[in-house]
Amino acid sequence: DAEITQSPRHKITETGRQVTLACHQTWNHNNMFWYRQDLGHGLRLIHYSYGVQDTNKGEVSDGYSVSRSNTEDLPLTLESAASSQTSVYFCASSESSNEQFFGPGTRLTVL
Amino acid sequence: GEDVEQSLFLSVREGDSSVINCTYTDSSSTYLYWYKQEPGAGLQLLTYIFSNMDMKQDQRLTVLLNKKDKHLSLRIADTQTGDSAIYFCAESTPSNTGKLIFGQGTTLQVKP
Repeated sequence: DAEITQSPRHKITETGRQVTLACHQTWNHNNMFWYRQDLGHGLRLIHYSYGVQDTNKGEVSDGYSVSRSNTEDLPLTLESAASSQTSVYFCASSESSNEQFFGPGTRLTVL
Repeated sequence: GEDVEQSLFLSVREGDSSVINCTYTDSSSTYLYWYKQEPGAGLQLLTYIFSNMDMKQDQRLTVLLNKKDKHLSLRIADTQTGDSAIYFCAESTPSNTGKLIFGQGTTLQVKP
């Protein structure tokens, strides 16, 4: 069955370290998204991609970067982790303007 | 810019109906969605409604859309303890192809 996976599911890191969160989907969707979920803010869009070699900044992109070298993967990199980036991160994919399929999430703690 | 607002918490008794409300600001919304998030999991699409519809019913779920007031609601009939979750309203607009704007989420607590 097609799916979307994220790894790791939990990560603890230190301030200043570079961290990369993986997202992999097997639906062959062109659109992929990264969100962060924080209490009281719902889901906020970090970066998104409409296809290979395409990346775009979302609402809260500062301190994050993404790359899209193939259809299946959109890794999210925190260049220098900050405590304000402690959050739960969700990856999603879609083929059209309709349903987005979400991964199970990565809980990141920055100490 | 676009904004989607929800109340943060709703508590109901098992067997009662739940109504979760959402307001949005962008009148050009094309689709409006309801997602459900269970503890420790990602979001799953519950239902969606196209902007030219007023109502959509799917088993225990009823979605009502008032375009004039930019108000969306989700009614869950005969609410069960398994319905306890966070419910997110989201909209898509022509200017944001493929992107969704989410509300803050409403935590539904179902008491036995």
